[in-house]
Amino acid sequence: DAGVTQSPTHLIKTRGQQVTLRCSPKSGHDTVSWYQQALGQGPQFIFQYYEEEERQRGNFPDRFSGHQFPNYSSELNVNALLLGDSALYLCASSLWGATGELFFGEGSRLTVL
Amino acid sequence: QQQVKQSPQSLIVQKGGIPIINCAYENTAFDYFPWYQQFPGKGPALLIAIRPDVSEKKEGRFTISFNKSAKQFSLHIMDSQPGDSATYFCAASISSTYSSASKIIFGSGTRLSIRP
Repeated sequence: DAGVTQSPTHLIKTRGQQVTLRCSPKSGHDTVSWYQQALGQGPQFIFQYYEEEERQRGNFPDRFSGHQFPNYSSELNVNALLLGDSALYLCASSLWGATGELFFGEGSRLTVL
Repeated sequence: QQQVKQSPQSLIVQKGGIPIINCAYENTAFDYFPWYQQFPGKGPALLIAIRPDVSEKKEGRFTISFNKSAKQFSLHIMDSQPGDSATYFCAASISSTYSSASKIIFGSGTRLSIRP
């Protein structure tokens, strides 16, 4: 039973560029959430997708956008990258309506130069 | 009011000792309090969780103590082992008609080192 998988694991971009990160949820899960974890900090909620729609959003600018596909996989897009966007981006999956465990992937480490 | 404050930032304990990590919250609407464990290069993994209708929950060597009136909760690790060395995050969320398990507010983390 595959867990949450994310790609790429590491990437380097320059300021102003755009990036797309990908996530496949745990088998049987239908809800995907994205978190940003800066170095030495706790994860911060970006947004959540269910039935291909954004359902909840944290305090992140519109430069952060996402998408969910019919197979429940998801993408996170960040436009006009800033140095401060350097972080570990974590994808988490769960079952809609269940207030319980989130399953996290190992993350995509983004470095913006 | 959405914050979860965690302390200490780092903690070193000898093997067999009982590290204690503390968290406090303000929003009384929080009704689910998980603890996550994160090893270097890995994503966080759920360790143990509690709801505010109980004051204590034990799972193996891990215990959560919950004080609803003080809006505080803590993690105790009994008979700590070097393999417990990791970063620990307390967290909180609100149940609603949405899948609010996804919108979890995390503390800033405690880097725990267990010395042999």
